[in-house]
Amino acid sequence: DVKVTQSSRYLVKRTGEKVFLECVQDMDHENMFWYRQDPGLGLRLIYFSYDVKMKEKGDIPEGYSVSREKKERFSLILESASTNQTSMYLCASSLIPQTNYGYTFGSGTRLTVV
Amino acid sequence: GESVGLHLPTLSVQEGDNSIINCAYSNSASDYFIWYKQESGKGPQFIIDIRSNMDKRQGQRVTVLLNKTVKHLSLQIAATQPGDSAVYFCAEISGGSNYKLTFGKGTLLTVNP
Repeated sequence: DVKVTQSSRYLVKRTGEKVFLECVQDMDHENMFWYRQDPGLGLRLIYFSYDVKMKEKGDIPEGYSVSREKKERFSLILESASTNQTSMYLCASSLIPQTNYGYTFGSGTRLTVV
Repeated sequence: GESVGLHLPTLSVQEGDNSIINCAYSNSASDYFIWYKQESGKGPQFIIDIRSNMDKRQGQRVTVLLNKTVKHLSLQIAATQPGDSAVYFCAEISGGSNYKLTFGKGTLLTVNP
């Protein structure tokens, strides 16, 4: 069964900490994505990557960075966590050029910054 | 800017009834649409998709209708069951971006026994 795995389901971090959220997919997908999901705002794209070492900003990249050193792994980095980054973070992957069946999502990481 | 939105944030139905969840999109260049279901504590899961050269597609108990004239998308669930209770998102891919989805804000479907 194909999978997108996020390393943590729940995280609690302190303001100012550097936070790493890890995502691994076993489908040999080129594209990987990080979204955050907040009530009333839906899913908002933070960053995405369409190849190893490639990355593009999404709609809300401020305060975040990403790393894609290997095809199967896409990491989201909060350089200095703030309380407004408390959210559900979803990783997804897909094929290119056609996204038949769209994205495959991980189960999410619920991050609380205190 | 371009957006994908939903007419209703919540929908409550009786078990066994049919459900209709609506979605409006604004990008006329969008050529691929997907419905996702997200259960509590889980990531979104693919339900059904439709391409812009179609106006209807059916799956198991689900039908997606696309009206490009008014830029409207709907998801119909037949004989709704308690297990259908979830948040449903529509999403679109616009021409020129084969892999970047834009999501609507979601509709919470509650099925009453």
